[in-house]
Amino acid sequence: DAGITQSPRHKVTETGTPVTLRCHQTENHRYMYWYRQDPGHGLRLIHYSYGVKDTDKGEVSDGYSVSRSKTEDFLLTLESATSSQTSVYFCAISSGVNTEAFFGQGTRLTVV
Amino acid sequence: TQLLEQSPQFLSIQEGENLTVYCNSSSVFSSLQWYRQEPGEGPVLLVTVVTGGEVKKLKRLTFQFGDARKDSSLHITAAQPGDTGLYLCAGFMDSNYQLIWGAGTKLIIKP
Repeated sequence: DAGITQSPRHKVTETGTPVTLRCHQTENHRYMYWYRQDPGHGLRLIHYSYGVKDTDKGEVSDGYSVSRSKTEDFLLTLESATSSQTSVYFCAISSGVNTEAFFGQGTRLTVV
Repeated sequence: TQLLEQSPQFLSIQEGENLTVYCNSSSVFSSLQWYRQEPGEGPVLLVTVVTGGEVKKLKRLTFQFGDARKDSSLHITAAQPGDTGLYLCAGFMDSNYQLIWGAGTKLIIKP
């Protein structure tokens, strides 16, 4: 299995609080991605990174920010959580474009 | 509207039956991947198809990429309960660095 770890695995938080999810990889892959998965929508890209300190927005980036200060870590922050951000969040890594994406086990986030 | 449309959204069949699920688009993809996802886990890659018309086999699973590289199909022969899961297709377009995902087909194989 690819070395990719997400933390926490489960979190319940209140509306309006900040939340940070962490993705850690041991594969030294260049690309890292944050997705959310909701019923009927499949995987939707939030943000991605193509190198240290190089990030870009995906299709559902509003309300989210990311940081990548080291190759191995990619952080996703919800500045002020809303109920619409209740979802399962997946981190993925890949060595390049057009290559296999390896996924973490996901973080189930509930905003109450 | 999803750029990649998967059908059916849900399929429940008996063990031993054959089935085909589809991944369709009006856009051209440089490659297309199929993943399987089990509950509580992230998706895992099954196959990548790159060439128009390409057919790849993985035991009882047969994957085909359309000639025009706009669609793909996954055929399972003699389905088994272990095939149960969410099947996702994802494609790369030449114009960007992102995988485009379909919404998935949820497959249940009943013993």
